[in-house]
Amino acid sequence: NAGVTQTPKFQVLKTGQSMTLQCAQDMNHNSMYWYRQDPGMGLRLIYYSASEGTTDKGEVPNGYNVSRLNKREFSLRLESAAPSQTSVYFCASSELGVDGYTFGSGTRLTVV
Amino acid sequence: DQQVKQNSPSLSVQEGRISILNCDYTNSMFDYFLWYKKYPAEGPTFLISISSIKDKNEDGRFTVFLNKSAKHLSLHIVPSQPGDSAVYFCAARDFGNEKLTFGTGTRLTIIP
Repeated sequence: NAGVTQTPKFQVLKTGQSMTLQCAQDMNHNSMYWYRQDPGMGLRLIYYSASEGTTDKGEVPNGYNVSRLNKREFSLRLESAAPSQTSVYFCASSELGVDGYTFGSGTRLTVV
Repeated sequence: DQQVKQNSPSLSVQEGRISILNCDYTNSMFDYFLWYKKYPAEGPTFLISISSIKDKNEDGRFTVFLNKSAKHLSLHIVPSQPGDSAVYFCAARDFGNEKLTFGTGTRLTIIP
């Protein structure tokens, strides 16, 4: 029972480089989310997808793009990384009527 | 504008005593509240929730209290155990919306 799987776990990028963070869930959940966690800021929503084929901006979407490839997978792309995007990124999934989100273990990203 | 606030960044409690973590919110449309627990290098895990139609929910050593008039909720852990040392996030959502708004977190340290 894997739940939510994120790859990679760690990544160092140079300013201006691009990368995609991958997320997959095996619980048949409709909704998926990308959050970032920064010291003193808590968890802030970047993008979410209420169902396959739909995506919407969250609180801090600038500098990011997402793709809901299918029901299982929701990827987050940084087109041109900036030091302000240094953070820990969490993917989560949920289903209406089921308590709470299931989170992945996170991706620690450093942009130098 | 932080809609969910945890004003105590950290809290230390002796093992066996009660831990009380507090959370305030400003959005009167929130109708469901959750607490998550996070260990280092792991994703947050769901702990306990409460609907706005209740003022208390209990699950073993964990009890959440909701005071709607004060827009305040609290998590009580009794008795506190060393394994409870973690960061605790409160979260809220409004009716019919699966998106969660998280607080900034409180780091709880249980002293043996």
